[in-house]
Amino acid sequence: EDKVVQSPLSLVVHEGDTVTLNCSYEVTNFRSLLWYKQEKKAPTFLFMLTSSGIEKKSGRLSSILDKKELSSILNITATQTGDSAIYLCAFSPNFGNEKLTFGTGTRLTIIP
Amino acid sequence: SAVISQKPSRDICQRGTSLTIQCQVDSQVTMMFWYRQQPGQSLTLIATANQGSEATYESGFVIDKFPISRPNLTFSTLTVSNMSPEDSSIYLCSVERDRGYNEQFFGPGTRLTVL
Repeated sequence: EDKVVQSPLSLVVHEGDTVTLNCSYEVTNFRSLLWYKQEKKAPTFLFMLTSSGIEKKSGRLSSILDKKELSSILNITATQTGDSAIYLCAFSPNFGNEKLTFGTGTRLTIIP
Repeated sequence: SAVISQKPSRDICQRGTSLTIQCQVDSQVTMMFWYRQQPGQSLTLIATANQGSEATYESGFVIDKFPISRPNLTFSTLTVSNMSPEDSSIYLCSVERDRGYNEQFFGPGTRLTVL
């Protein structure tokens, strides 16, 4: 059975710190890995990583895919209180199967 | 990205009743997805809804409990039937950015509490 595991489950840091969130996957077929930010109810899309795009960056957020280690990290530098959220990673199998399998999430809390 | 709306945004229901959740998209999409997020848990796919065909349910979810309609390319409904407190969750619909792209965008969600 396909599995996505995130660590840590929760993280509390001070504003300005840099954080690294981890996602590892054990899957039969891999097409892409996605990161989402969930503040209230709806997850908002952050990044998608594939074999042809293993590193993405947007402002203070960046993400890298390590296909050899079957893992990905999400980095947030100079954290702000608005970064407080649950961060979810999900994987998608091969083309034609659009199902997303989500990890358990990391709850990030930024203390002012 | 598509603009997705859901109704209701929240509801409190009695055990044994049913609730229908609506999902409306501002553009035509081939596939719509329904997820459930139980308290403290991650998202779990309930079913995939294609226009013009029966929904495809994931393991552990059945049509009698979660009937889905997909009358056109911009609208879908999910009904939670014969509810119990274990059905208390956030229910989310999502759509793909474009056909063949994995990026899914989510509606605002429906928070359901069953007493």
